[in-house]
Amino acid sequence: AQSVAQPEDQVNVAEGNPLTVKCTYSVSGNPYLFWYVQYPNRGLQFLLKYITGDNLVKGSYGFEAEFNKSQTSFHLKKPSALVSDSALYFCAVRDRAGGGADGLTFGKGTHLIIQP
Amino acid sequence: EPEVTQTPSHQVTQMGQEVILRCVPISNHLYFYWYRQILGQKVEFLVSFYNNEISEKSEIFDDQFSVERPDGSNFTLKIRSTKLEDSAMYFCASTAGTTYYEQYFGPGTRLTVT
Repeated sequence: AQSVAQPEDQVNVAEGNPLTVKCTYSVSGNPYLFWYVQYPNRGLQFLLKYITGDNLVKGSYGFEAEFNKSQTSFHLKKPSALVSDSALYFCAVRDRAGGGADGLTFGKGTHLIIQP
Repeated sequence: EPEVTQTPSHQVTQMGQEVILRCVPISNHLYFYWYRQILGQKVEFLVSFYNNEISEKSEIFDDQFSVERPDGSNFTLKIRSTKLEDSAMYFCASTAGTTYYEQYFGPGTRLTVT
C-alpha cells in the first residue's frame, strides 16, 4: 500500500523568506508525485508534479519541489514567500506500477501561514 | 481555462435519504474520479471511472455508493442511504490520461447528514 506523510501540521514563514513544506512517501514501485494547494472554500489546485528526469521540478506561482529517491522525499519550496501563498498544501503519490485509473494517495495536508 | 464544476455546493440531507452529487468534468478528459475529505482529515480516493465503467474503487466505496455518467457530460455520485459518517466534502476530479497526468479537481460539494 502507498502512503504519504506530511510531518508538519503548520508551517509559519515571514514574508520574503524561503519556505519549505515537507513530504515523504512510500510506494512499492517508483512514484509519480504531486503537490496541490487548497484555498478556503475552494477545490484542490494542481501546483506541480514529478514524473521522471530532473529531480528539481518547477511549477505554478514560483513553487518548486525536489525529488530525493534515497530519502523518499518530495519537499515543496519557494525562494521568497508571499502572504498570498497562505493556504493548505497537499502532497500526493501514485505508484507507476499501478493501473491507469488509480486514485491519488494524499497526505493529511500542511497549513502554510505567511506572516507580513 | 476549463474547469471541473460541481453542484450543489452544499447539500443537507437526513440520515437514510438518498443523495446525488453532480459533476461536469473537463470536456476532453477521459478519466473521472470521486474523492472525499472528512472535516480535518486527509483527502481519500473513492472511485475512478473510465469508458463508462468503474476502473478502480477503494474499500470506502461500498454498496451504498454508485457512479454514473448519464449523458456524456455529467458524472454523478449517488449515496443510497446516507449515514452520519458520510458527512464530508466530496470532490470530483478528471484527467486527460493515465498515471502521470495530473488530476483537475472541482470545488467540492459539502454534504451534511443530520
